[in-house]
Amino acid sequence: GNSVTQMEGPVTLSEEAFLTINCTYTATGYPSLFWYVQYPGEGLQLLLKATKADDKGSNKGFEATYRKETTSFHLEKGSVQVSDSAVYFCALSAGNQFYFGTGTSLTVIP
Amino acid sequence: SAVISQKPSRDICQRGTSLTIQCQVDSQVTMMFWYRQQPGQSLTLIATANQGSEATYESGFVIDKFPISRPNLTFSTLTVSNMSPEDSSIYLCSVEDRAGPYEQYFGPGTRLTVT
Repeated sequence: GNSVTQMEGPVTLSEEAFLTINCTYTATGYPSLFWYVQYPGEGLQLLLKATKADDKGSNKGFEATYRKETTSFHLEKGSVQVSDSAVYFCALSAGNQFYFGTGTSLTVIP
Repeated sequence: SAVISQKPSRDICQRGTSLTIQCQVDSQVTMMFWYRQQPGQSLTLIATANQGSEATYESGFVIDKFPISRPNLTFSTLTVSNMSPEDSSIYLCSVEDRAGPYEQYFGPGTRLTVT
């Protein structure tokens, strides 16, 4: 079946630190992969996506590369800001279904 | 991308009552989805709503508890019936975008607290 396994949090970083949130997936066929972000008190926003192997999604300084050989889609940012504090969800789409990871809470302290 | 609004944004309800959540999209879409996000947890799909047909419910969710309407291609409602404190969650609607790579766009959510 299809599933997403996401690094557990919470994660606390100092401002300007490097961020990695791990995400691996299991899927039949060729899924699309996504990172969504949920800021406090808000709904989910699409952060970035990749639709095929070796694609790199990027947005707002965040990046993730679709790695078919390791079935991974790790989220990275070189220098986090306080405003990046949020919950991050890795997700995949296959067919008509979406599958979400459990979410990773990130807190960035000044 | 689609712009989605939800009403109400939050509510505090008494046990045993019902609440209807509205979801409005700024463009016509075939499929709309309703999710529940319990405190500190990920999203769980409640049901998929297609215009002109009965909603399709996921395992663990039933129509009597979560009736859904889908009267046209831009609107849907989800009712949480006979509420208990365990229903306290964020409820999100989403739509799919088939114009490009398949993805989902989410509304801002309805934060429900049942006392």
